Amino acid sequence: SQTIHQWPATLVQPVGSPLSLECTVEGTSNPNLYWYRQAAGRGLQLLFYSVGIGQISSEVPQNLSASRPQDRQFILSSKKLLLSDSGFYLCAWNDWDGYTFGSGTRLTVV
Amino acid sequence: AQKVTQAQTEISVVEKEDVTLDCVYETRDTTYYLFWYKQPPSGELVFLIRRNSFDEQNEISGRYSWNFQKSTSSFNFTITASQVVDSAVYFCALSGGNTGANSKLTFGKGITLSVRP
Repeated sequence: SQTIHQWPATLVQPVGSPLSLECTVEGTSNPNLYWYRQAAGRGLQLLFYSVGIGQISSEVPQNLSASRPQDRQFILSSKKLLLSDSGFYLCAWNDWDGYTFGSGTRLTVV
Repeated sequence: AQKVTQAQTEISVVEKEDVTLDCVYETRDTTYYLFWYKQPPSGELVFLIRRNSFDEQNEISGRYSWNFQKSTSSFNFTITASQVVDSAVYFCALSGGNTGANSKLTFGKGITLSVRP
């Protein structure tokens, strides 16, 4: 069966520090992968999506970047975090049956 | 561009009441998919339903039912005899397909449902 792993679950980071959130998928190959962010009290906003290794599309200009070094690995990064980067980050993948979301990372930038 | 509007932001009901969550969408695609997700306080997204644009049949699953009407571009969700455990944020979402760039989900802003005992 397909599963998606996302870590860490919670993270508190100072302004200006780097960020690396990792997401891996099991039980499938060549999935479409996504990073969404949910700011406090707001809906989910698509940040990046990837249809294959090394293929990254950015939906909104921001302080973040994404990479897909392996077929089932999707990484969200920042060189210097801003206060506005705080939020709940969700990784997701999809196939013909639908979408599966990770359990999320709650990031607080202080 | 795709758009999902959930005009209701917060709804509060007393247990056992019926409640309908509204969703209106915009898309130029002829083939698309509509979704509802539940987000409990723990944060994870729980999949509730997927409906493709060619299937306008209403669906019922236990206390949950969905009314899809292409004529009004709406995909409304009704909870019958609500329970405290139904308290959560509910998202409606839209995608243009299952694969490739069209597969990305566009979410509404969500509706916070509070069910009081």
